[in-house]
Amino acid sequence: GQNIDQPTEMTATEGAIVQINCTYQTSGFNGLFWYQQHAGEAPTFLSYNVLDGLEEKGRFSSFLSRSKGYSYLLLKELQMKDSASYLCAVLDSNYQLIWGAGTKLIIKP
Amino acid sequence: IAGITQAPTSQILAAGRRMTLRCTQDMRHNAMYWYRQDLGLGLRLIHYSNTAGTTGKGEVPDGYSVSRANTDDFPLTLASAVPSQTSVYFCASSELADSTDTQYFGPGTRLTVL
Repeated sequence: GQNIDQPTEMTATEGAIVQINCTYQTSGFNGLFWYQQHAGEAPTFLSYNVLDGLEEKGRFSSFLSRSKGYSYLLLKELQMKDSASYLCAVLDSNYQLIWGAGTKLIIKP
Repeated sequence: IAGITQAPTSQILAAGRRMTLRCTQDMRHNAMYWYRQDLGLGLRLIHYSNTAGTTGKGEVPDGYSVSRANTDDFPLTLASAVPSQTSVYFCASSELADSTDTQYFGPGTRLTVL
């Protein structure tokens, strides 16, 4: 079966760095997405990785290792507004998105 | 309108009633999707449409139907609602189907079936 695993919840301090991991087992791979979802709102796109390595976009970076079935989202200089759920999703061989359950990130002052 | 809109924002429905959730996008995207989101689970695809006039079944299609008469609108119908259909429903769209294009989401409809 297809499976996406990510931690249920993480806590970090304002101004710090946090890494949210995602491991996957899917039938085929056409890329991995990270979305941010604030409570009661829609998911919004953060990043897309299809090649191994690190993609940096401002305070957010996303890493992919296809051989390990592993990705992480790195958030630097955390701000209170970063409190949200972070969703990992893999595009499978049929170009359908398989979603993880999301990681709820709590930022403390 | 900018992006994707959904209506209603929330709804409480008696079991056995028929309900249509509306979704409209103004981005001229070819592909549209309906997901449900339940606590502790990832988003699950209900139905999708690769282009106007075509639809397909996702992971959890039972009890739901869709239509795609034009590019902009993609309504989701629950023919006879059951309590297990209590969920948050998100409509999404992408420029192309079967591609790596980003999916953009509407604000969601919170549905409670009693």
